[in-house]
Amino acid sequence: GAVVSQHPSWVICKSGTSVKIECRSLDFQATTMFWYRQFPKQSLMLMATSNEGSKATYEQGVEKDKFLINHASLTLSTLTVTSAHPEDSSFYICSGLETSRDEQFFGPGTRLTVL
Amino acid sequence: DAKTTQPPSMDCAEGRAANLPCNHSTISGNEYVYWYRQIHSQGPQYIIHGLKNNETNEMASLIITEDRKSSTLILPHATLRDTAVYYCIVSRRDKLIFGAGTRLAVHP
Repeated sequence: GAVVSQHPSWVICKSGTSVKIECRSLDFQATTMFWYRQFPKQSLMLMATSNEGSKATYEQGVEKDKFLINHASLTLSTLTVTSAHPEDSSFYICSGLETSRDEQFFGPGTRLTVL
Repeated sequence: DAKTTQPPSMDCAEGRAANLPCNHSTISGNEYVYWYRQIHSQGPQYIIHGLKNNETNEMASLIITEDRKSSTLILPHATLRDTAVYYCIVSRRDKLIFGAGTRLAVHP
């Protein structure tokens, strides 16, 4: 299947700092990418849909000014957690939509810990 | 998107078939049934999807009832590496909304 990478795989930061997570589709072009968050022992929660060249669409309850999404190319989307706080500590997962196969391929996730 | 109902957990003996059920009684005509699985602390892995016909690939088979209100994912010969949370999702080929899934434990 198609490959999606995320960087970094884990990050620890101090409260109040901003953290950027990259999501790359390595062998396909992803016009659409998705960002999810997963807390321990819970399911994945969709945060936003990222479309190349346009503004992201955020799910209800997700603050767009706190979770900045940029999808500047067909292979790269970034999520920036601004002014991170301990409650933002979570597992962040992205996916890319491979339109020729109607399949979403997921990255390995990024574990964010905010101290 | 339509909601799905799955049993919270299931057990399966290694080498036997694992049959994971999913109810999606409110599915609409243009929604597909997708199955993903997530092994602990990894991103979800695509397994299979279908609209109304049964589907088979190298990983699994998907059986969809004629009224499309339920489906079954079949892992024909489960191995220990198939231990994971399995998610059944109905979607219009765009965003995926994950439910709680079924935690499948394959034991020796």
